[in-house]
Amino acid sequence: QKEVEQNSGPLSVPEGAIASLNCTYSDRGSQSFFWYRQYSGKSPELIMSIYSNGDKEDGRFTAQLNKASQYVSLLIRDSQPSDSATYLCVVPLAGNQFYFGTGTSLTVIP
Amino acid sequence: AAGVIQSPRHLIKEKRETATLKCYPIPRHDTVYWYQQGPGQDPQFLISFYEKMQSDKGSIPDRFSAQQFSDYHSELNMSSLELGDSALYFCASSRRTGWDEQYFGPGTRLTVT
Repeated sequence: QKEVEQNSGPLSVPEGAIASLNCTYSDRGSQSFFWYRQYSGKSPELIMSIYSNGDKEDGRFTAQLNKASQYVSLLIRDSQPSDSATYLCVVPLAGNQFYFGTGTSLTVIP
Repeated sequence: AAGVIQSPRHLIKEKRETATLKCYPIPRHDTVYWYQQGPGQDPQFLISFYEKMQSDKGSIPDRFSAQQFSDYHSELNMSSLELGDSALYFCASSRRTGWDEQYFGPGTRLTVT
């Protein structure tokens, strides 16, 4: 079992819909959680960070964290074609090591 | 705002050659991380440095070495290059070691022929 697992996708949603991306992690001691967006051939770009249980909203993005269930999600409201990318769930598990999920490829269909 | 700078952006080398990749972190970031991303794969952590000392080590081959200098820039040295080393190499920096947000540079695309 990988340390960080994401719904594998690919995920396709129509423009304007809500895209839901899910991630589970193995280490109960994890304290911080990040969502990165990566376009093909480009570097990962930080979208959201979340540290406490509950929801955190930033514009069209909402991150949800449930430490008891070891689950973190990202909701994208009013999805746009420019949101089409791979979304990476990232959890620091030990020391400085960032463990990346395998990524979920999202396509927003105009 | 200043971002992480990596050079070169593209590099072509032959098998058994050496390569040096450079990374300049965001100002006042004291921690640098190196990642390797092969085609269709997620980034794999190689090594990190905090205050010029190696702080953590991931799946870095013995043929690779890295260091962080007094101005906090870092270099990844790769020797005896193999075809399988062809990948995107990202550098990231953060304000402190541990679980702080990491900001990635644009990457160096290394092609080994």
